[in-house]
This record gives sequence, C-alpha cells and structure tokens, in this order.
Amino acid sequence: DAKTTQPPSMDCAEGRAANLPCNHSTISGNEYVYWYRQIHSQGPQYIIHGLKNNETNEMASLIITEDRKSSTLILPHATLRDTAVYYCIVRDRTGTASKLTFGTGTRLQVTL
Amino acid sequence: GAVVSQHPSWVICKSGTSVKIECRSLDFQATTMFWYRQFPKQSLMLMATSNEGSKATYEQGVEKDKFLINHASLTLSTLTVTSAHPEDSSFYICSAPQGARGNTIYFGEGSWLTVV
Repeated sequence: DAKTTQPPSMDCAEGRAANLPCNHSTISGNEYVYWYRQIHSQGPQYIIHGLKNNETNEMASLIITEDRKSSTLILPHATLRDTAVYYCIVRDRTGTASKLTFGTGTRLQVTL
Repeated sequence: GAVVSQHPSWVICKSGTSVKIECRSLDFQATTMFWYRQFPKQSLMLMATSNEGSKATYEQGVEKDKFLINHASLTLSTLTVTSAHPEDSSFYICSAPQGARGNTIYFGEGSWLTVV
C-alpha cells in the first residue's frame, strides 16, 4: 500500500471546522483513500473512504485532489468528542483480503 | 451499534499461560479478518490475516506458533497467545471487511491483555 503523510497533531476550536490533510503522492489507480479515527483505548472507527470523487456522509466530508496525491478530511462542526487520532490510509481496492496499514496519524485536539 | 465484536474486553493472565481472544462479525459473514496489536502511544501494527477455512497469513516478524489464529466459521476468528509473557501485554484489535467487495472494514472494540 502507498504510504501516507499526516501532520502529527492539530488543534481545533469547538464548533469550528476541522480540516485534516493527508499526502499520498504515490497512490495508484487501484487504491482508495480511507479515514479512520481512534479514541483513546478503543478500536478504530470508520469515518469515510473514496476513490477520486469527493464524498460526504453524516460524519465528515472527504475532498480528494484531482491528481489524487492528497486529500483532506473535513469535520464540519468539531465537538470535544471528536478529539482522537485520525488515520489516513490508502488501500488496494482489489478484494476483501486487502489490508489496512496504519501510519502514525494526526492527533486532533478539540478545545473549548 | 458494533458490527464487529471482541471478547474479552480485557484479560489478565499469568506468565506462561495461554489466552484466547474472540472476534465475531455481527450480521455479516467475513471470509477474511485481520488481527492487529497496539502498544501504548503507538500505531496499530498488523499481525496477521485470518482466512476462513485455511491457514492464516502472518506479517514478517510475527511468530505463528506463538500467536495461533483459527478462523473456523464465517463469523468467528480467534487469536490465542500461547505461553504469554509480560512483553505480550498489549491492546489486540481485530477487523473484518463487510460487503461483497469488502470496501468497508470495521474494527472490534479491542482486547486489553496484561500478562503478570
């Protein structure tokens, strides 16, 4: 799987949008971009994934650049409960055996 | 609610004993499951891929005889830590892809293992 690069930490004020960047310059055409988050002492929580089009669900929006070399996860109105480590992962889309390889992620701290 | 469930959530065992952790997919079948280990303040490290009806595939550096994986049914994979030692104390997490193409992978709640 292609490697990703994320800032180690970010702060965001509660109620504001949190924009988490991710670089994946070596991504191939077969690879999706996935975002997960992990709140302390819990298993990772799926947020969103996409291939090349922007995606939105009830949790977040995923913006993927046209060249697919980077993406941004947007939490539109961050709350204190969004404080977590956010992982950007690229994964080969060819089949259920394709695994997720975690990097170091971005530690997002949401403050009052 | 959870779509992948692990049991136990936490376990304490004596050095030299074996511990079994279960991972179940709820309401869906998973021919493949993944087992991870996470040490404090570190990221998740993939240990092995569990395959229903066949042998697990282990990542480089993971001892297959120490971390026994059994995927006996389409909804259950088990990880047994044999002859556990204090350095095996960690957070163990499983995951399973859902859907025909497995595009969404869900994770269990994790299992804390402490070996004393």
